[in-house]
Amino acid sequence: AQSVAQPEDQVNVAEGNPLTVKCTYSVSGNPYLFWYVQYPNRGLQFLLKYITGDNLVKGSYGFEAEFNKSQTSFHLKKPSALVSDSALYFCAVRDVLYNTDKLIFGTGTRLQVFP
Amino acid sequence: NAGVTQTPKFQVLKTGQSMTLQCAQDMNHNSMYWYRQDPGMGLRLIYYSASEGTTDKGEVPNGYNVSRLNKREFSLRLESAAPSQTSVYFCASSEVGAGGYWAEAFFGQGTRLTVV
Repeated sequence: AQSVAQPEDQVNVAEGNPLTVKCTYSVSGNPYLFWYVQYPNRGLQFLLKYITGDNLVKGSYGFEAEFNKSQTSFHLKKPSALVSDSALYFCAVRDVLYNTDKLIFGTGTRLQVFP
Repeated sequence: NAGVTQTPKFQVLKTGQSMTLQCAQDMNHNSMYWYRQDPGMGLRLIYYSASEGTTDKGEVPNGYNVSRLNKREFSLRLESAAPSQTSVYFCASSEVGAGGYWAEAFFGQGTRLTVV
């Protein structure tokens, strides 16, 4: 069965500093990987995805993520954090080979960017 | 373009009452999902539907039933609500995009359900 782990409940970073939000996954086949962001009292918004090709994926709002197959990771990164990036971030995975309709999310990481 | 619409937005139920959460999407997607979001637990998949007429259990299906009424609508029913079902419920839809690869899922705004 596919699964996603987000090992950090919260990440704190100062504005202007680089940020990383970690995600590791487990699938039987190859993964489709996604990052979503949730602002307070809102639904989830798509940030970026890895399907195939380049391991470095660029997405919305200056975010990017690096797919590392050997480490089964898909960490979210941004070179310079903004206070407005403070939100809840979710990693999600589909298994390409088995039951691709099933989309599983991690437990989420709260990003707090301090001025 | 409304995307994914959930109703109601808020609901308070007494233990043992039943209710149906409604979800509709206007993007002609085949796949639809119901998730619940609880603090510290992230989003957990309750049920999903790969196409009209099919439904499958997700991670936490107990206490819930679903109906894929047509391609647009996917409802979630609580037959006998329990306090443990107090949560925020999200509906989502997605589709295989260009090139045969899965596109991202689109989410509704959520239903905040309290069972007392």
